[in-house]
Amino acid sequence: EAEVAQSPRYKITEKSQAVAFWCDPISGHATLYWYRQILGQGPELLVQFQDESVVDDSQLPKDRFSAERLKGVDSTLKIQPAELGDSAMYLCASSLGTGRQETQYFGPGTRLLVL
Amino acid sequence: GENVEQHPSTLSVQEGDSAVIKCTYSDSASNYFPWYKQELGKRPQLIIDIRSNVGEKKDQRIAVTLNKTAKHFSLHITETQPEDSAVYFCAAEKEYGNKLVFGAGTILRVKS
Repeated sequence: EAEVAQSPRYKITEKSQAVAFWCDPISGHATLYWYRQILGQGPELLVQFQDESVVDDSQLPKDRFSAERLKGVDSTLKIQPAELGDSAMYLCASSLGTGRQETQYFGPGTRLLVL
Repeated sequence: GENVEQHPSTLSVQEGDSAVIKCTYSDSASNYFPWYKQELGKRPQLIIDIRSNVGEKKDQRIAVTLNKTAKHFSLHITETQPEDSAVYFCAAEKEYGNKLVFGAGTILRVKS
């Protein structure tokens, strides 16, 4: 069964450093999502791509976060500079189509710790 | 915007008992309500979902009910087993664009 892949699984960094996370969605999935999950809370959407285009980045802190999906396949989320409050699980998800009520499939996440 | 509240935050049941988790949402235009299970250190996985044209959906020991008038939906797990122990998240789709808003999660512990 195809799954969403993410790397790295864990990342420890010092504040003010740059970090990057990678996501490979299920093959053929048009829509890709990046979520942030703070311990004890549900996932919160940061950015949504439809193919290579951003369709929603309203919750992405654009002064320090950036995301791209250049060829409409895999995606990278970057934080520069990292702050202590960025410590969280970063989850990637994908869905097949671009319409409503599509099932979202999650990757295993990248757990970030900022020291 | 959409807001989803989930209760309880933790739930302990004896093996074989039933467990019920409840969620309320604010956006009356929401029409899709998935439930995800997240085991420790693993990815969230969809266990069941319901769309607003139905009031109840079952899949073996799991069922979900939806009350659109009251804007709440619930997850019911019967005959709980130790492997049901996990964090469960409800979610509601915003009125456009397949965007999900998640509840804060419920830690379910099934004691054997």
